[in-house]
Amino acid sequence: RKEVEQDPGPFNVPEGATVAFNCTYSNSASQSFFWYRQDCRKEPKLLMSVYSSGNEDGRFTAQLNRASQYISLLIRDSKLSDSATYLCVVGNTPLVFGKGTRLSVIA
Amino acid sequence: EAGVVQSPRYKIIEKKQPVAFWCNPISGHNTLYWYRQNLGQGPELLIRYENEEAVDDSQLPKDRFSAERLKGVDSTLKIQPAELGDSAVYLCASSPRETGSYAQYFGPGTRLTVL
Repeated sequence: RKEVEQDPGPFNVPEGATVAFNCTYSNSASQSFFWYRQDCRKEPKLLMSVYSSGNEDGRFTAQLNRASQYISLLIRDSKLSDSATYLCVVGNTPLVFGKGTRLSVIA
Repeated sequence: EAGVVQSPRYKIIEKKQPVAFWCNPISGHNTLYWYRQNLGQGPELLIRYENEEAVDDSQLPKDRFSAERLKGVDSTLKIQPAELGDSAVYLCASSPRETGSYAQYFGPGTRLTVL
């Protein structure tokens, strides 16, 4: 099992749709969890940290399930500007990056 | 607040040539990372510094790659000699501390093409 696994997509969704990504991880001792966003030919940028109790930032909701060793990202009311690759990041020191899930929001 | 600065942004060289990348982290960030990202992949850690000490360089191909972080601020990553397979984006990131609970902030990267 790879350290961090993500469905590469692409996920093609219409504007206004709700989309969810999952990410599984193999190291049960992982303590830190993040979602990063990466636009084409740009650097990854922190989208949000993921906390045990789950957390929300506007249209974005992140969840952590330690028992099943996965984290999720839910995007509500998708915008065209949400089109990007979403990287799951898990670990302690060092952090391990997934390969990313591509999202395309279509008008 | 200024972000992570990297230069050059693009570099095209012929194989067997040397190349160097420079990174200036966010002010006050003690931990600095160099990553390599290939197309369609996530960033892969090459080396991690805590201040001026390289605390994790297990993924750095030491036969041709070297790095330094003098005075615990700026860092350089060097490849000598470059190979075709080294073509990738080299990303520098920094975080306040070594512990994983601190998110990392990336620079714009250097896109290396080896011909």
